[in-house]
Amino acid sequence: AQSVTQPDIHITVSEGASLELRCNYSYGATPYLFWYVQSPGQGLQLLLKYFSGDTLVQGIKGFEAEFKRSQSSFNLRKPSVHWSDAAEYFCAVGAIQTGANNLFFGTGTRLTVIP
Amino acid sequence: EAGVAQSPRYKIIEKRQSVAFWCNPISGHATLYWYQQILGQGPKLLIQFQNNGVVDDSQLPKDRFSAERLKGVDSTLKIQPAKLEDSAVYLCASTQHGYNEQFFGPGTRLTVL
Repeated sequence: AQSVTQPDIHITVSEGASLELRCNYSYGATPYLFWYVQSPGQGLQLLLKYFSGDTLVQGIKGFEAEFKRSQSSFNLRKPSVHWSDAAEYFCAVGAIQTGANNLFFGTGTRLTVIP
Repeated sequence: EAGVAQSPRYKIIEKRQSVAFWCNPISGHATLYWYQQILGQGPKLLIQFQNNGVVDDSQLPKDRFSAERLKGVDSTLKIQPAKLEDSAVYLCASTQHGYNEQFFGPGTRLTVL
C-alpha cells in the first residue's frame, strides 16, 4: 500500500536560513511525487512534482526537491527562507490503481519563520 | 483562468443535521476529486469522478456521505446525518489529465457541534 511519512510535524527557521523538509514514501512501483503548500484558510498549491527523468526538480518560489530511490525519499529544500514561506507543507505520492490516479498525502510539516 | 470554486467557505451545523458542499472545477477538467482534511492531518481522498462517472469511492462512508457530478461539471458532496467526527475541511480538486497536477479549491470548513 502507498504511504507517505513526514517525520517533522513542526519546523522553525530564521528568515534567510536554509530549509529542508523530509519526506519518505512507500510505493511498489515508480512513484509520482509532489510537494504542495497550504497557507492558512487556503487550498493546496503545487510547489513541484517528479514523474521521471532528472532526480533534482525545480519548483516555484525557489524550492527544489531531490528524488532518491535508494532512500525512498523526496526531500524539499530552499537555500534562503522568506517570511512568506510560513505555511503547511505536504508531500504526496501519486498512485495508479485500476484506472484511478489518487494522491496519498503525508500528515504535513508546519513551517514557522522567525525574523 | 478561473480556479476551482467551492461554496460555502464555512459551515456550522448540529450533529445529525444534513449539509451539502458544492464544487465547480476548472473548465475542461474531466477529473474531479473530493478530499477530507481533518485538523492536523493530510487530505484523504473521499471520491474521484471521471466526467460524471465514479472512478474510486472506496474511502467514502456511504452510509452517510453521498456525491454526484451531474453533466460532468459541477459536483455536490452531501453528509446526512453529520457526526462530530465529520468536522474537517472538505477540499475539491480537478485535473485535466490523469497524472498531472491536481488543482485545489479553497475548501469548505465544516464544524459539527
